[in-house]
Amino acid sequence: DAGITQSPRHKVTETGTPVTLRCHQTENHRYMYWYRQDPGHGLRLIHYSYGVKDTDKGEVSDGYSVSRSKTEDFLLTLESATSSQTSVYFCATGTSGRIGELFFGEGSRLTVL
Amino acid sequence: QQQVKQSPQSLIVQKGGISIINCAYENTAFDYFPWYQQFPGKGPALLIAIRPDVSEKKEGRFTISFNKSAKQFSLHIMDSQPGDSATYFCAASNTGTASKLTFGTGTRLQVTL
Repeated sequence: DAGITQSPRHKVTETGTPVTLRCHQTENHRYMYWYRQDPGHGLRLIHYSYGVKDTDKGEVSDGYSVSRSKTEDFLLTLESATSSQTSVYFCATGTSGRIGELFFGEGSRLTVL
Repeated sequence: QQQVKQSPQSLIVQKGGISIINCAYENTAFDYFPWYQQFPGKGPALLIAIRPDVSEKKEGRFTISFNKSAKQFSLHIMDSQPGDSATYFCAASNTGTASKLTFGTGTRLQVTL
C-alpha cells in the first residue's frame, strides 16, 4: 500500500455549502490525482498535481479546485456543492520511478442533498 | 467523449471458467495500458499492465492481449475463482503526460460456484 489516507471517508452536506476533501500520502510520491467514480462512467480525472504548487485540470474540473502546499497533502475543494457532485472521490498518487502505475486511497463518499 | 470503451458492463462466469473483458481506445498517443481491480469499499489496485511493444503479457491466471492495429486490448482471467469477483477497469495513459490515466467504465465480474 502507498500509505494514502483520505478524509473524511463519508460526508453528507447540503447544496451550496463548501466542502474540502483531504488526501495525505506518506510515500513522497511526486504525482497526486483526484478522481470521481460514478456508475456508468468509471473513474474520471478531476485535477492532478505534478509537484508542490503545480496543478492542472482533468476532464471534469468544473466546480472543483485543488491545492498542494506540501508534497504529502492534496486538497480538493467544492466551492459550492451541487447534487451532481454526489459521488465517490478517490485520491491517487504516482511516482516517477513507476510511470503509469497509480496507487489509490480508499475513497471518500460525498452526498450532496 | 469516452476515449476508452469497455465491455461488457457485467459478467457472470462459473468457477473454473474463463473471464474475458474487452477495451478499445482512440488516442494513438497512449503507451501504457493497465488493468485495475476494485473490491467493494476499496480503491482500485493495479492488476497487470502492458506496453504496446508486446502483444501479450501473462501474470499467473491473468493475461492481457493487445492488438495495436485494432486499438484494442483485453483481459483474460483463466480458471476464474470466487475471489476474483470484483469490478475491473481498463485504462490507458500517455506516460509523458504526468501518467494521467483514462479509465473505461468498468466491468462487474461475478464468479459463481
